[in-house]
Amino acid sequence: GAVVSQHPSRVICKSGTSVKIECRSLDFQATTMFWYRQFPKKSLMLMATSNEGSKATYEQGVEKDKFLINHASLTLSTLTVTSAHPEDSSFYICSARSPRDREVGRDRETQYFGPGTRLLVL
Amino acid sequence: AQKVTQAQTEISVVEKEDVTLDCVYETRDTTYYLFWYKQPPSGELVFLIRRNSFDEQNEISGRYSWNFQKSTSSFNFTITASQVVDSAVYFCALSYSGAGSYQLTFGKGTKLSVIP
Repeated sequence: GAVVSQHPSRVICKSGTSVKIECRSLDFQATTMFWYRQFPKKSLMLMATSNEGSKATYEQGVEKDKFLINHASLTLSTLTVTSAHPEDSSFYICSARSPRDREVGRDRETQYFGPGTRLLVL
Repeated sequence: AQKVTQAQTEISVVEKEDVTLDCVYETRDTTYYLFWYKQPPSGELVFLIRRNSFDEQNEISGRYSWNFQKSTSSFNFTITASQVVDSAVYFCALSYSGAGSYQLTFGKGTKLSVIP
């Protein structure tokens, strides 16, 4: 079954509004979560690495003030797209990594992905 | 720098045919990890396999098999007797532990279409 959930799965918003996407690890504690963006028919682009209790590390070219990431607990990270514009429309997908070895069949080297969130900004 | 190359952009096969998806990687790290993920039309990435750099044993799981060869820096994926449900985009990925976060570098993906 799914080990990482995302909410909402789909969102449509007006330009200028902010949208929050949640990523939860369901049966393990994730000290590290990752946020990716995927354009149609393209590969995944890492936006940022989120560590619990500390500031996220953003990849080059990703605006920190535009994409706010909060990793307040070991099971929840949020991505807020602030003042969204049509060019922010995309598929956003998160992943989580378990820090422990072989915990319930999860290994620390593997990222488990959420189902993704499709954002459409009108 | 790390790089993953999936030279096949799209592949179409007829159901029950075997198909191999190629993956070539580049890394300077001595310890690294290789992955295959499946992305069906729904969008979720499904973890298929992880291979450690120090374990070159090939692996078989049902109709799926993986051939890891360090000498050619390849980690190819074969689906035997393909089925329509195998239609998806398949991503090969590489990570290392150097930064402690095990960041993934993805290939561009191979879209597999299995025709009934």
